[in-house]
Amino acid sequence: RKEVEQDPGPFNVPEGATVAFNCTYSNSASQSFFWYRQDCRKEPKLLMSVYSSGNEDGRFTAQLNRASQYISLLIRDSKLSDSATYLCVVMNRDDKIIFGKGTRLHILP
Amino acid sequence: DGGITQSPKYLFRKEGQNVTLSCEQNLNHDAMYWYRQDPGQGLRLIYYSQIVNDFQKGDIAEGYSVSREKKESFPLTVTSAQKNPTAFYLCASSINRENIQYFGAGTRLSVL
Repeated sequence: RKEVEQDPGPFNVPEGATVAFNCTYSNSASQSFFWYRQDCRKEPKLLMSVYSSGNEDGRFTAQLNRASQYISLLIRDSKLSDSATYLCVVMNRDDKIIFGKGTRLHILP
Repeated sequence: DGGITQSPKYLFRKEGQNVTLSCEQNLNHDAMYWYRQDPGQGLRLIYYSQIVNDFQKGDIAEGYSVSREKKESFPLTVTSAQKNPTAFYLCASSINRENIQYFGAGTRLSVL
């Protein structure tokens, strides 16, 4: 099993819809989790950290399921500007940081 | 403005040539990192440094070298030993290894 796995997509979603994608991780001792956004040919930018209790930032909601070892990202009322690749990032107890390969999202007008 | 600056944005390397990519940060971060990203692939760690004058190999260090003589600077040299250097190179920094990483805009390296 890969350390961090994401569905590469692309997810083609109409504007205004809700979309969700997951990221699974293999190390049960992983301690910190993040979602980054990467636009085409640009650098990754932090979207949000993922807390055990779940967290919400506007239209974005991130959740952690330790029992099943996955994190999720939910985007409500999707905008054209949400089109990007979303990277899942997991940090282990030895401070090793692992980036997923990303999920591509296309919001369709 | 605080941030991470990478230069150049585009770089071309001839066969057998060493090239150096610059990374400077004014965030007062202790930790700095170099990653390589190939099309459709995740980021792979080349080298990282947690403190001045110290650095560690990442997962794909062969063919690369780094230095950390100043807190603000972490240049990466792509040596002629790196046989497949064409990629998008990203520099990042964080307060320390346990914290969120922030990225520079990247350097695209191609081979002539």
